[in-house]
Amino acid sequence: SYVLTQPPSVSVAPGKTARITCGGNNIGSKSVHWYQQKPGQAPVLVIYYDSDRPSGIPERFSGSNSGNTATLTISRVEAGDEADYYCQVWDSSSDQGVFGGGTKLTVL
Amino acid sequence: EVQLVESGGGLVQPGGSLRLSCAASGFTFSSYSMNWVRQAPGKGLEWVSYISSSSSTIYYADSVKGRFTISRDNAKNSLYLQMNSLRAEDTAVYYCARNLGGVIVMVYWGQGTLVTVSS
Repeated sequence: SYVLTQPPSVSVAPGKTARITCGGNNIGSKSVHWYQQKPGQAPVLVIYYDSDRPSGIPERFSGSNSGNTATLTISRVEAGDEADYYCQVWDSSSDQGVFGGGTKLTVL
Repeated sequence: EVQLVESGGGLVQPGGSLRLSCAASGFTFSSYSMNWVRQAPGKGLEWVSYISSSSSTIYYADSVKGRFTISRDNAKNSLYLQMNSLRAEDTAVYYCARNLGGVIVMVYWGQGTLVTVSS
């Protein structure tokens, strides 16, 4: 089955740029979606189709996908961005959804 | 406003059964595919199952295949997950999530319902 690998944690100072990676075999050939989950809350879609933002998501959130790595970039990080972030793809070879293990973003 | 409200969770013994429901409102339910996603305590998200808008296409995670059944009633704007032969490792918060049309991008999520499998 397809595996997505994320770093367990990323730390960043306020106002700086956070980059969260999602690794997978030839992930650049798939559409990657990103979700933000704060403690005790349901996940929220922040990026879909690699780099599109749903309405209401700040422009500070952006995404890219190429080769074996997809990246969620959060510019000008704020305290309110502290959360767990998950990448997700659809594995058409097995017809199953796949989530990465999640990355805890800590704002220092 | 899109709303998804899960219900039916609770405590069940290993080997038991439970049926989860998800009541949808604020959109044309019959036009959208849906998913169940779960999250074990302190763990990450795990996709469980998908159903197309007309129920013609259904997929399951390997971990639940043969034990769980997803279904929907478009007339009642409701999504269901019948869970049989439950195991301790099925303990999790179960979320229903609406896709972006037929594409599996989970745009809207419910608040979840907790299922605890324990003796």
